[in-house]
Amino acid sequence: AQSVTQLDSQVPVFEEAPVELRCNYSSSVSVYLFWYVQYPNQGLQLLLKYLSGSTLVKGINGFEAEFNKSQTSFHLRKPSVHISDTAEYFCAVSVFMDTGRRALTFGSGTRLQVQP
Amino acid sequence: EAGVTQFPSHSVIEKGQTVTLRCDPISGHDNLYWYRRVMGKEIKFLLHFVKESKQDESGMPNNRFLAERTGGTYSTLKVQPAELEDSGVYFCASSQAGGTEAFFGQGTRLTVV
Repeated sequence: AQSVTQLDSQVPVFEEAPVELRCNYSSSVSVYLFWYVQYPNQGLQLLLKYLSGSTLVKGINGFEAEFNKSQTSFHLRKPSVHISDTAEYFCAVSVFMDTGRRALTFGSGTRLQVQP
Repeated sequence: EAGVTQFPSHSVIEKGQTVTLRCDPISGHDNLYWYRRVMGKEIKFLLHFVKESKQDESGMPNNRFLAERTGGTYSTLKVQPAELEDSGVYFCASSQAGGTEAFFGQGTRLTVV
C-alpha cells in the first residue's frame, strides 16, 4: 500500500517570500505524483503532476515541484507568494491497481497562510 | 464545458436520517470516484465506478453507505441511517478512460447532528 506524508499542517509566510511545502510518499511500485489546491469555498484544483520525464515539474500560478526518487519526495515550491495563494494544498500519489483504477492517496493537507 | 458538479453543497441532518448526495461528472468521463474528508484529516477514497459498474468499493466504511451510477452518468451516494461520524466533506471526481488526471467537484459538506 502507498502512503503520503505532508510534514507541515500549517505554513505561515509573508507575502513575496519563498515557500516550500513538503511531501514524502511511500510505495512499493512506481507512482504518479500530484499537488492539488483547495481555495476557500472551492473544490480541489490540480496544480501540477509528475508522470515521467523531467523531475522538475512546473504548474499553474508559478508553482513548481521536484520529484526526488531516492528521497521519495515531491516538495512544492514557489519563489514569491501572493495573498491569493492562501489555500490548502494536498499532495497525492496514484498507482495502477489490479482493479484497473489509478487510486489517489492523499496527504493530510498543508494550510498555506500568506500574510501581508 | 461544465466541470464536476455536486449537489447539495451543504447538508445538515439529524442522526438517524437519510441523506443522498449527487455527483454529475464531466460528460464522457467513464471513471467516477467518491472521496471523503473527515475533520481535517486526509482525503480518503470511498469507491470507483467505471461507467455504471462498481470497479472498487473497498473504501466504503460500512453498509450504511450505498452508491449508484444510473446509466453510467450521474452518481448518488446515500447514507442511511446517518451517524455523527459520517460528518465531513464528500468529494466526487471524474476522469477519462485511461486518463491520468481526476477532476474534482466542489464537495458536499455533510454535518450530522
